[in-house]
Amino acid sequence: QKEVEQNSGPLSVPEGAIASLNCTYSDRGSQSFFWYRQYSGKSPELIMSIYSNGDKEDGRFTAQLNKASQYVSLLIRDSQPSDSATYLCAVWGSGAGSYQLTFGKGTKLSVIP
Amino acid sequence: NAGVMQNPRHLVRRRGQEARLRCSPMKGHSHVYWYRQLPEEGLKFMVYLQKENIIDESGMPKERFSAEFPKEGPSILRIQQVVRGDSAAYFCASSPRGGDLNTEAFFGQGTRLTVV
Repeated sequence: QKEVEQNSGPLSVPEGAIASLNCTYSDRGSQSFFWYRQYSGKSPELIMSIYSNGDKEDGRFTAQLNKASQYVSLLIRDSQPSDSATYLCAVWGSGAGSYQLTFGKGTKLSVIP
Repeated sequence: NAGVMQNPRHLVRRRGQEARLRCSPMKGHSHVYWYRQLPEEGLKFMVYLQKENIIDESGMPKERFSAEFPKEGPSILRIQQVVRGDSAAYFCASSPRGGDLNTEAFFGQGTRLTVV
């Protein structure tokens, strides 16, 4: 069973602070990793993808990948109240599981004004 | 460009009825995935389809659930003889290529199924 683990939170940060979200995965062969944001009652929205070790920055978001440690993270700089949502880590499987995008249960982020 | 389109957005069915959920992928996407999300739970993979083919249905319950993606028209997720436990949000996602090729998947707005 291929798994993606996230701290469920809630994670509370003050407005303007850096929010750090973490994710580990069990499938050592996985090559593609994603962060989705899901507001309550809404659908998942893709915010970052990362395929290579290291950092990838997009605006206030930075994704970090360490395949040796099977670890993915998302940093949100200058957090805003509008960033309050559940953040889902997702991993494409490898081999026979490559058809499945496996999700963690999500970390609920609350940005306090 | 239109995104992934799902309909209906909300569906209420009595126990024992059939539910049909529709999904039209993004333009240029030929890979469709169905996920189910129970309240306060994560997204669970159900089935992966390409046009006229079911590629992976390992997440689909063996009874009452079926999916298709015909040559023409949307993908359909069909739930027969619904029970209260089927109440959930059902999301469809699409991608331009298969998941082993560093491809991004985009989700529709979902169908909220309520069984009464």
